[in-house]
Amino acid sequence: KQEVTQIPAALSVPEGENLVLNCSFTDSAIYNLQWFRQDPGKGLTSLLLIQSSQREQTSGRLNASLDKSSGRSTLYIAASQPGDSATYLCAVAPITSGTYKYIFGTGTRLKVLA
Amino acid sequence: ETGVTQTPRHLVMGMTNKKSLKCEQHLGHNAMYWYKQSAKKPLELMFVYNFKEQTENNSVPSRFSPECPNSSHLFLHLHTLQPEDSALYLCASSHSPGQGSIDTQYFGPGTRLTVL
Repeated sequence: KQEVTQIPAALSVPEGENLVLNCSFTDSAIYNLQWFRQDPGKGLTSLLLIQSSQREQTSGRLNASLDKSSGRSTLYIAASQPGDSATYLCAVAPITSGTYKYIFGTGTRLKVLA
Repeated sequence: ETGVTQTPRHLVMGMTNKKSLKCEQHLGHNAMYWYKQSAKKPLELMFVYNFKEQTENNSVPSRFSPECPNSSHLFLHLHTLQPEDSALYLCASSHSPGQGSIDTQYFGPGTRLTVL
């Protein structure tokens, strides 16, 4: 059974720091991996999606990497800003016959201090 | 705005009430999803609909009853809920999965449900 773990559970950093969020998953048979952002009491916003054949994706100050063989992904945020404060969720889409769904981690709650 | 709307945004109900959650998407997607997000737990998939047909029921209790009248609308009918059902209920939509692929999902803002 696929399990997704995110470390750390919470992180507080001063503005301007570069930071790395970690995601690990137990089964490497996945279609893709996606990083989401969730603001308090709100829905999820997709940040980056990495297909299983890809190694990384970049969008602005965000860079996500995928190492399927080791079951790991990292989300790198450069020059963090207070507006980056949110919960970051990692989700994997396992390859299972006849279904298509994401398995989510519990998230990393990030606070960037001004 | 993601193109997925949910109403109501907040709902308080007693255990004997019957209520419904509504989700609407304006993205031209054919797949729609209900998720439950409880405190300190990962997001849990509840139901999946593809072209109005239910394709996934993740062992959800029968007190939750989904309905998908068309590809743009999804409902979650609630009756005789328990206090532990209090959570954020999120709706999402996506293009239907292709051969060997899964598309990104777009989420609504959620309905915060409190069961007294």
